[in-house]
Amino acid sequence: AQKVTQAQTEISVVEKEDVTLDCVYETRDTTYYLFWYKQPPSGELVFLIRRNSFDEQNEISGRYSWNFQKSTSSFNFTITASQVVDSAVYFCALSAAGGTSYGKLTFGQGTILTVHP
Amino acid sequence: EAGVTQFPSHSVIEKGQTVTLRCDPISGHDNLYWYRRVMGKEIKFLLHFVKESKQDESGMPNNRFLAERTGGTYSTLKVQPAELEDSGVYFCASSTLAAETQYFGPGTRLLVL
Repeated sequence: AQKVTQAQTEISVVEKEDVTLDCVYETRDTTYYLFWYKQPPSGELVFLIRRNSFDEQNEISGRYSWNFQKSTSSFNFTITASQVVDSAVYFCALSAAGGTSYGKLTFGQGTILTVHP
Repeated sequence: EAGVTQFPSHSVIEKGQTVTLRCDPISGHDNLYWYRRVMGKEIKFLLHFVKESKQDESGMPNNRFLAERTGGTYSTLKVQPAELEDSGVYFCASSTLAAETQYFGPGTRLLVL
């Protein structure tokens, strides 16, 4: 069975601070995908990134960066110089890359990030 | 390009009534998924369509829930009869057959009183 744990329920920071959202996962699949989604106050889930299990390169996109470490089953997300617009609920998710349950996303509980001006 | 759309955005019904939620995927997306987030819990998978066929319905909670995708385009999720514990946000997502990334709709907020 798959499991995703986001231990941080809520994080509060002041604008311009860096913040890291933790994500730890469990899976028996040898190939899988990891995702981060953002849910702003408007409610929709916005796709941020997908990472394949065979690609452990870290990724940077503007102020966002992701650190994937297979050895610790972690896929952490860092926002540099946070802004008020980053306030949202962030979800980490996992899916198998094949099999009958391919595509089925297993989500973490979500981390509520509040960035204060 | 239009994103995934869901209707209605909100629904308030009484226990025992029937509600039908609709999802229109991104045009050309053959994969369609339904998820649900009950208050305070994580988002959970309900089922997965590939075109008009149910690929995986392992997450459907019970037989009060019926999902259809006639013609492989839009999908409906009917709850009949609704119970209090069905309250939550129902999300729909879609992806192409080859892609692994799902794009989500805004969700339908269902409240059963």
